[in-house]
Amino acid sequence: NAGVTQTPKFQVLKTGQSMTLQCAQDMNHEYMSWYRQDPGMGLRLIHYSVGAGITDQGEVPNGYNVSRSTTEDFPLRLLSAAPSQTSVYFCASSQGFARGYTFGSGTRLTVV
Amino acid sequence: GQQVMQIPQYQHVQEGEDFTTYCNSSTTLSNIQWYKQRPGGHPVFLIQLVKSGEVKKQKRLTFQFGEAKKNSSLHITATQTTDVGTYFCSSSSGSARQLTFGSGTQLTVLP
Repeated sequence: NAGVTQTPKFQVLKTGQSMTLQCAQDMNHEYMSWYRQDPGMGLRLIHYSVGAGITDQGEVPNGYNVSRSTTEDFPLRLLSAAPSQTSVYFCASSQGFARGYTFGSGTRLTVV
Repeated sequence: GQQVMQIPQYQHVQEGEDFTTYCNSSTTLSNIQWYKQRPGGHPVFLIQLVKSGEVKKQKRLTFQFGEAKKNSSLHITATQTTDVGTYFCSSSSGSARQLTFGSGTQLTVLP
């Protein structure tokens, strides 16, 4: 049972480049979310999904897109990377609303 | 999303001392979740509280949910070096199906 798997673990992008952060879970969880973590700012919600085909914006959605074509996968797309998107990104999943979330190990992204 | 404020931001204790972090909200919360993140790691779910005045214990950790469901606390008795990390509270209250995190309390345990 792998839990939540995020790839890549590290990434360096140039300003303006695009990329997709991958997230997959094998626990059949309906709820999945993307967070970014910056020093002193805790975890901020980017986008979340309550099931396949359903996504919604969180606190800081600008510059990011998501889709949820399957229960297992929830990729996060950076459309045109900016230095302000340098952060650690965590994907998390849960059995449902108001349950504990299982986090992936994170992707450390640097935009230069 | 639901706003939760967490204090203190940092706490240094000597090994063996107790530690408490507090989570406060201006509105009533339907639940509180607590997570621990070790340095360089990812958040790990510890516990969820849903009832007014609820108290739960996990070994040396005691979690409380206030009577008015607007605040919560995590207390660690006799800290150990393994307790080092950042402790976050979070809540998924209201109609928004989002989990909102406090800014966390970073605990350092000095040997």
